[in-house]
Amino acid sequence: QVQLVQSGAEVRKPGSSVKISCKASGGTFNGYSMNWVRQPPGQGLEWMGDIAPIFRIANYAQKFQGRVTITADESTGTAYLELTSLRSEDTAVYFCARDYAVKSPYFEFWGQGTLVTVSS
Amino acid sequence: EIVLTQSPGTLSLSPGERVTLSCRASQTVTSAYLAWYQQKPGQAPRLLIYGTSTRATGIPDRFSGSGSGTDFTLAISRLELEDFAVYYCQQYDNPPWTFGQGTKVEIK
Repeated sequence: QVQLVQSGAEVRKPGSSVKISCKASGGTFNGYSMNWVRQPPGQGLEWMGDIAPIFRIANYAQKFQGRVTITADESTGTAYLELTSLRSEDTAVYFCARDYAVKSPYFEFWGQGTLVTVSS
Repeated sequence: EIVLTQSPGTLSLSPGERVTLSCRASQTVTSAYLAWYQQKPGQAPRLLIYGTSTRATGIPDRFSGSGSGTDFTLAISRLELEDFAVYYCQQYDNPPWTFGQGTKVEIK
């Protein structure tokens, strides 16, 4: 069974950056794209981008272009999300979620979520 | 990007009732590339339906999806207590993948 385990909660000041991780176990890490989805408190879900580990190619939602970097380490089966120039509006729970299958970007497997709080 | 609008925002219902949730897209979602998720407080979303109408692994058959073009529906035939949650639709036809704003199904 696929499991995605994320790193713990983070608190950052405005203008700083954060990097969170998502370690996969079970299944084939390289075979499926890993996505990052965020959810501000009390709000809905927002897709940020994804990465195909085997190709090391990341795609980003235009809203986050220039501020987000998604990477993957095949050797450890871990995906990373780095977000820079943080502002209060970036306070959210960040989820990693694996594609259901090849080129099937809907998400059966999710991490437990990482709360990032941006506050001065 | 494709904007998904869900309605209603909140539904107050009793166990045993049938519920229909709507998801309308700002442009045609080709190839029925639409999914539905259920989310409970403090949890990650749970995939219910993909390809408009295919139930994910382990999803009870009281959940069903339908629709095409710009109008999609999630139906729950008889609400169980564990079904009270927030439901989101998601399109994966055109990147960026987008979600609706959610419909909350609460106990009346």
